[in-house]
Amino acid sequence: QSVLMQPPSVSAAPGQKVTISCSGSISNIGKDYVSWYQQFPGTAPKLLIYDNNKRPSGIPDRFSGSKSGTSATLGITGLQTGDEADYYCATWDSNLDAGEFGGGTKLTVL
Amino acid sequence: EVQLMESGGGLVQPGGSLRLSCTTSGLTLRDNTMTWVRQAPGKGLEWVSLITGSGEVIKYADSVTGRFTISKDDSKDTLYLQMSSLRVDDTAIYYCAKCRSSTGCHGLRLENWGQGTQVTVSS
Repeated sequence: QSVLMQPPSVSAAPGQKVTISCSGSISNIGKDYVSWYQQFPGTAPKLLIYDNNKRPSGIPDRFSGSKSGTSATLGITGLQTGDEADYYCATWDSNLDAGEFGGGTKLTVL
Repeated sequence: EVQLMESGGGLVQPGGSLRLSCTTSGLTLRDNTMTWVRQAPGKGLEWVSLITGSGEVIKYADSVTGRFTISKDDSKDTLYLQMSSLRVDDTAIYYCAKCRSSTGCHGLRLENWGQGTQVTVSS
């Protein structure tokens, strides 16, 4: 059971917008930056968002991140079928003194 | 270009041991904190262990503390994960990944990942 809670699945139509939430606590999201990862089946995860809202080079601006208090949100606009993947939030937990990932959210583009 | 390549996975019996290696190129291990992350079949990502660039700070997930040991050889550009007392629930793909900083992994910002190596613990 992860300390970072994500919805197991979300779905939306092509071209629409979707948000994925990540709920934590004062000892993790409340204290540290949040990263988001995208993972396609059979491949390694890829950094999508770091420091709550920054995109590595090559990541389109359709992907955005935000953080408020002990929660973070990943937003994806202009959904494409190629965005169908699993998405994970991540951060460091100061109480556990350990890295933590959310349970993951499967995005379906209908 | 940063490249990470894991090796050493395989099939091992419960209670057995295995050593994973992560060969790196395009980076200097002393300048980067490195981590191991695993993913059990059909499950999510689980952070396993971390070692800072100096090697002075090492951390483990509770699930592997006392059984796994992370280490590195800067001269060989290689990161290791020695796994002992393996259990069936250690079965997973094991990834090595590079953090941004040499002194920690704030925000669990893992910029580069290897392709993973499969570890299967079964009798």
